[in-house]
Amino acid sequence: QQQVKQSPQSLIVQKGGISIINCAYENTAFDYFPWYQQFPGKGPALLIAIRPDVSEKKEGRFTISFNKSAKQFSLHIMDSQPGDSATYFCAASIGGSNYKLTFGKGTLLTVNP
Amino acid sequence: ETGVTQSPTHLIKTRGQQVTLRCSSQSGHNTVSWYQQALGQGPQFIFQYYREEENGRGNFPPRFSGLQFPNYSSELNVNALELDDSALYLCASSPGTSGTDTQYFGPGTRLTVL
Repeated sequence: QQQVKQSPQSLIVQKGGISIINCAYENTAFDYFPWYQQFPGKGPALLIAIRPDVSEKKEGRFTISFNKSAKQFSLHIMDSQPGDSATYFCAASIGGSNYKLTFGKGTLLTVNP
Repeated sequence: ETGVTQSPTHLIKTRGQQVTLRCSSQSGHNTVSWYQQALGQGPQFIFQYYREEENGRGNFPPRFSGLQFPNYSSELNVNALELDDSALYLCASSPGTSGTDTQYFGPGTRLTVL
């Protein structure tokens, strides 16, 4: 049973465009929702995270939108750059921590110059 | 400050064998988590160690076991290897177990079971 469903599987965006990746979760006990970025040959790195008491969090070009009633959250990358090309994973956990993260299957983002 | 390191980088084993993977946590970090990342999938939580004690486990059979040493480095042991164990094994360290502690992932060990 996949508790965090991520879409799309892959995404191609032109430089300067907006990249949008969506995730939906099933377990209403989840209360911490991070996004990770993974480059080839590297481990995932925390990009940005949100807790359900807010509907949006922005850090630089990266924004998380959170819809608690729909059990969905999304990552928006503004002014996408070729250096943003990577695999992005959404995740969720219980207890508001990085412990025992449940990850989505990932989205391969390619930003064309 | 060195990051999380893992060894070996790649490993090939045959079905039924046993394997040990190693992880050196980031300086000052006393918590290590292990994840299995199958090809095309997101990482799956195996277990976490905090100050040398197992501090939670995911849905993995007992043939997956671990250790954490006094210097907070860690080992993942897998017995009776199966073909489905082929994956990237990631370890992540954090300075503690609180909700604000960020996990830092290592580059992983790629295990292939033939």
